[in-house]
Amino acid sequence: AQKVTQAQTEISVVEKEDVTLDCVYETRDTTYYLFWYKQPPSGELVFLIRRNSFDEQNEISGRYSWNFQKSTSSFNFTITASQVVDSAVYFCALSANFGNEKLTFGTGTRLTIIP
Amino acid sequence: GAVVSQHPSWVICKSGTSVKIECRSLDFQATTMFWYRQFPKQSLMLMATSNEGSKATYEQGVEKDKFLINHASLTLSTLTVTSAHPEDSSFYICSASNGPSYEQYFGPGTRLTVT
Repeated sequence: AQKVTQAQTEISVVEKEDVTLDCVYETRDTTYYLFWYKQPPSGELVFLIRRNSFDEQNEISGRYSWNFQKSTSSFNFTITASQVVDSAVYFCALSANFGNEKLTFGTGTRLTIIP
Repeated sequence: GAVVSQHPSWVICKSGTSVKIECRSLDFQATTMFWYRQFPKQSLMLMATSNEGSKATYEQGVEKDKFLINHASLTLSTLTVTSAHPEDSSFYICSASNGPSYEQYFGPGTRLTVT
């Protein structure tokens, strides 16, 4: 069975601070995909990143960066120089396949950026 | 990216009535569609997976006779909540994929309130 754990339920930081959201996963599959989604108050899921299990390179996209460590089954997400618009719930998710397999979501981390 | 729409975006219905939610892939053919449910301040939980032209596969604990899913075409899947009760009030989100090697795209969600 697959499982995604986001131990941080809520985080609050002051604007411009850096913040890291933790994600730990469990799976028996040798090939799998990890995702991060942002869910603003409107409710719509915003895709942030997808990473397959064979690609352990860290990725940076603007103020966002992701650290994938297979050895610890973690896929952490860091926002640098946080902004108020980053306030949202962030979900980490796991899939056994790229497209037509179900996503197993973590419980989410509610991030509040204090102006 | 590909666009998935849901209709209605929100609906209020009386207890005991049925309500239908539509999920459409607007610019691609969705061979697989997923239906998720999200209760307030909780994670997304998969309800069922549907492949075009075949019966939906329901997750454990989801009543297939209560949550009717139809995926009759490659661009449309419907979820009908039959004899809705207040405990069915939730945010329902669909996603669609056009193959095993393709991205899974999420709709904007439908907020259902049963009074």
